[in-house]
Amino acid sequence: DSGVTQTPKHLITATGQRVTLRCSPRSGDLSVYWYQQSLDQGLQFLIQYYNGEERAKGNILERFSAQQFPDLHSELNLSSLELGDSALYFCASSPFSSGRAENIQYFGAGTRLSVL
Amino acid sequence: AQTVTQSQPEMSVQEAETVTLSCTYDTSESDYYLFWYKQPPSRQMILVIRQEAYKQQNATENRFSVNFQKAAKSFSLKISDSQLGDAAMYFCAYSVIQGAQKLVFGQGTRLTINP
Repeated sequence: DSGVTQTPKHLITATGQRVTLRCSPRSGDLSVYWYQQSLDQGLQFLIQYYNGEERAKGNILERFSAQQFPDLHSELNLSSLELGDSALYFCASSPFSSGRAENIQYFGAGTRLSVL
Repeated sequence: AQTVTQSQPEMSVQEAETVTLSCTYDTSESDYYLFWYKQPPSRQMILVIRQEAYKQQNATENRFSVNFQKAAKSFSLKISDSQLGDAAMYFCAYSVIQGAQKLVFGQGTRLTINP
């Protein structure tokens, strides 16, 4: 068990809908990262938050947004869903934002999103 | 932009034998981290081993070791005494040290262990 909790484990929804994925980081970790794993794109970085502030953005669609709350949990919001958004979404957490040897990212079990 | 390439989509090895998975990367940075993550059928991403680029000594973790060739930008993973539980997708990944430490992943290598 990595200590990172993601809910729900599975999500099935229809095109055009909006969903929210939730992530609770390991105790004491201030950084949260979101990644998408799909068959055609592989594992891609979406966005990073550190202590409530956005720190880095990757190939995140405008239809997607995220935030990190004062209690450090994070939510990834996906709207106007398309078939191609079906993927495994991972959250990872680490103690710091950057630059430290112990800043290892530990992954949650992921949320499998199926858009029908 | 940094890229990571795993040229072996699939590998197989006999139980108790040794197997090496290949990874090359491209970066203009001099200091960075390299990782191997394992993804078993459960889909959980598990850190196997990490190498800091400024360290010349190759990292080892029990049966797992790496061969880090900085000049060649090569980072291979050796698994000794392969066990059935080692069957998984293995991803090579890169991150910078300074700045946002997003992970850049390779395409993965599916490792099968034959009993």
